[in-house]
Amino acid sequence: GAGVSQSPRYKVAKRGQDVALRCDPISGHVSLFWYQQALGQGPEFLTYFQNEAQLDKSGLPSDRFFAERPEGSVSTLKIQRTQQEDSAVYLCASSSRGSQGSPLHFGNGTRLTVT
Amino acid sequence: AQSVTQLDSHVSVSEGTPVLLRCNYSSSYSPSLFWYVQHPNKGLQLLLKYTSAATLVKGINGFEAEFKKSETSFHLTKPSAHMSDAAEYFCVVSGPAKAAGNKLTFGGGTRVLVKP
Repeated sequence: GAGVSQSPRYKVAKRGQDVALRCDPISGHVSLFWYQQALGQGPEFLTYFQNEAQLDKSGLPSDRFFAERPEGSVSTLKIQRTQQEDSAVYLCASSSRGSQGSPLHFGNGTRLTVT
Repeated sequence: AQSVTQLDSHVSVSEGTPVLLRCNYSSSYSPSLFWYVQHPNKGLQLLLKYTSAATLVKGINGFEAEFKKSETSFHLTKPSAHMSDAAEYFCVVSGPAKAAGNKLTFGGGTRVLVKP
């Protein structure tokens, strides 16, 4: 079936605006992850869901970042009062199992630019 | 805690010559290791993975990697580079198994340039 889908592909926000980034994982995938990739760097973990439960949010950089997955499928990453340092590519990934060694399937990401 | 170090931020090779991307990891348990590739404006694609079976792992597009526990290394190689191999490559460690899910820790990436 289709891969992981993220929208929008690009988002430009003025400093202080709120943004919402959407992720549609592969159908039936239990695990869903959000990563943040700053320019020229590797992705960094933000948060993890197993079905609708957010089991790990240790990577969220501040309380302005909030993620949800209410029905265990689509997930939304919300950033409130955006700052310039939030500019990055936000990657969503899903996998069929939550076990170590299960490969993640990544979406193409949302490139957020805060001006 | 776990970490990954990619020893080269940039690698430049000529088409048809071998490619070597170096990766060292640090982990307090038996890790799962991966290599992902990222082409411009594209999503991350899995090249190969090591999960404690054979130490020499073959992946897609002619890539392979060898897990060396004594050296804590997981270097990626390809005998003959192709122009389409120009991309960013990430060495990744997963786990620990007791943690939630299979959280990945990425290296800083190695950008590969292939010259004609």
